[in-house]
Amino acid sequence: GQQVMQIPQYQHVQEGEDFTTYCNSSTTLSNIQWYKQRPGGHPVFLIQLVKSGEVKKQKRLTFQFGEAKKNSSLHITATQTTDVGTYFCAGLSSGSARQLTFGSGTQLTVLP
Amino acid sequence: DAGITQSPRYKITETGRQVTLMCHQTWSHSYMFWYRQDLGHGLRLIYYSAAADITDKGEVPDGYVVSRSKTENFPLTLESATRSQTSVYFCASTFGGSGNTIYFGEGSWLTVV
Repeated sequence: GQQVMQIPQYQHVQEGEDFTTYCNSSTTLSNIQWYKQRPGGHPVFLIQLVKSGEVKKQKRLTFQFGEAKKNSSLHITATQTTDVGTYFCAGLSSGSARQLTFGSGTQLTVLP
Repeated sequence: DAGITQSPRYKITETGRQVTLMCHQTWSHSYMFWYRQDLGHGLRLIYYSAAADITDKGEVPDGYVVSRSKTENFPLTLESATRSQTSVYFCASTFGGSGNTIYFGEGSWLTVV
């Protein structure tokens, strides 16, 4: 079945430093979604990427979808304490199955 | 606007007991999902439903039962709880299938002792 690997599992950064999490799929994806989960909370949708090579920005967050539609990344510039949480990618398989598979997440800690 | 609500939020039960986690959404979303979240595994799909009376297995369905007699409700039952089912359970819904934004409930923390 489809597998979505996400690295790193944990990341500690000093406030103001940049942060990147990477997502890789074993199969070509139809689209990829990113979610953020605050400690003790529930996942909240951030963005969806659909096109090969697509880049989208939300303030300090930059999302990329690879040319082959098998990988993606989330980059946060100048982290703030409000960025703390776990970031998940979720890949939608192409073809008839069309299942959404979540990566294991990257837990971000921002040290003040 | 509650949107999607889960109950109970916290539950401790004993091994072998039957437990039902409730999920209710007010958006009339056609698709509903149950995920479990365990450390190191992210979110794993247990069951999903495309519409009332239509359910299908996800990645980890063993030991769970679902039903969907009404569009707005999607209960998850652990027929005979085991310690390995200690987890956080999230119900979720979306309008048009997995390719659309998925909205999660606040989660149900279940401990099986």
